[in-house]
Amino acid sequence: AQSVTQLDSQVPVFEEAPVELRCNYSSSVSVYLFWYVQYPNQGLQLLLKYLSGSTLVKGINGFEAEFNKSQTSFHLRKPSVHISDTAEYFCAVCRTGYCNTGKLIFGQGTTLQVKP
Amino acid sequence: KAGVTQTPRYLIKTRGQQVTLSCSPISGHRSVSWYQQTPGQGLQFLFEYFSETQRNKGNFPGRFSGRQFSNSRSEMNVSTLELGDSALYLCASRPGAADPGEQYFGPGTRLTVT
Repeated sequence: AQSVTQLDSQVPVFEEAPVELRCNYSSSVSVYLFWYVQYPNQGLQLLLKYLSGSTLVKGINGFEAEFNKSQTSFHLRKPSVHISDTAEYFCAVCRTGYCNTGKLIFGQGTTLQVKP
Repeated sequence: KAGVTQTPRYLIKTRGQQVTLSCSPISGHRSVSWYQQTPGQGLQFLFEYFSETQRNKGNFPGRFSGRQFSNSRSEMNVSTLELGDSALYLCASRPGAADPGEQYFGPGTRLTVT
């Protein structure tokens, strides 16, 4: 079975500083990987996804993530954060070949708090 | 295109009652998934429907059920509500059967059980 661990429940950072949100997954089979963002009182919005190919994936709002198969990690990064990036971020996986049945396994989430 | 819509946005129910939540997917999307989000358990998969058929189910008791209509709209029902059912229920839609899992989420229905 797959599982996802987000190593930090909260990450405080000052505006314009870089940030990294860490995600590790556990799976004996190949997976697709996703990062979602949830703003207060809203649903989840897809930031980026890794399906195959280049291990560095670029997403919306200046975010990027790097897939590291040997370390089973998919950390999310942004070189310079804005106040508007304050939100909760979720890492998710689904097992390749089974993703079309809609089941995503989510991490517990990381709250990014951007301070002025 | 309009996004995924969920109604109602907020609900307050009493323990023992039942509740029905509704989800309208993005136009043209045929797959609808439901998730429960709580502070303690995080986001947990409930079930997924495609072309009116349940294709996948999470580890929830039988009190949680769902269905999908021919226009792809979906409903989920929770019977005999318990306090622990208080949660944000999220619906997500996808275009079809073969896409690699990218899901588009609605704003959720906040259910409070008292």
